[in-house]
Amino acid sequence: EADIYQTPRYLVIGTGKKITLECSQTMGHDKMYWYQQDPGMELHLIHYSYGVNSTEKGDLSSESTVSRIRTEHFPLTLESARPSHTSQYLCASSAPDGSGNTIYFGEGSWLTVV
Amino acid sequence: KNQVEQSPQSLIILEGKNCTLQCNYTVSPFSNLRWYKQDTGRGPVSLTIMTFSENTKSNGRYTATLDADTKQSSLHITASQLSDSASYICVVSDRGSTLGRLYFGRGTQLTVWP
Repeated sequence: EADIYQTPRYLVIGTGKKITLECSQTMGHDKMYWYQQDPGMELHLIHYSYGVNSTEKGDLSSESTVSRIRTEHFPLTLESARPSHTSQYLCASSAPDGSGNTIYFGEGSWLTVV
Repeated sequence: KNQVEQSPQSLIILEGKNCTLQCNYTVSPFSNLRWYKQDTGRGPVSLTIMTFSENTKSNGRYTATLDADTKQSSLHITASQLSDSASYICVVSDRGSTLGRLYFGRGTQLTVWP
């Protein structure tokens, strides 16, 4: 079972508010990711990190920002939330195994902006 | 363009029956293919991971096959249970970068009826 945790699980906020989605993993993985997933749609990579002080933007343009000050922590921040940011945000981490990098996902954070 | 296509989009079966989900991909160069199970409102959980040299891999009642020549994979579920109701996502990784970029299918939504 993966040890990767996201908070909050569900959040409803007003337009213009600043929010931070927390993600922590206790597996010591260097690589961490944030994905965005709308209902019934595929996951889209919005941010990733190779390790401490390393952050990169993913395939899908996002107005969110991330930081990686500690290996185990990879928070995502929206400075000014809009209704278009309503979605599920999934945090993940990975480490090499015998078949490649196995990705472990958190339970997700459902964000609704009203 | 690297793509992952899954079929059917949704499937309803009766408890105890078998089913097969399909995944076709165009990702190149190919590294590995994973099948994930995603329960509603939860993060994806890995079922199987297969590399180029593997043709079949089982995980309990789940059996995945891979034909790297035709770029097709299938996930066979035997003796379905109500708890199998979920979205099954095919994820293909390339080996063109150190990140091992992941390409996600949209998933097959499986519903098992009693």
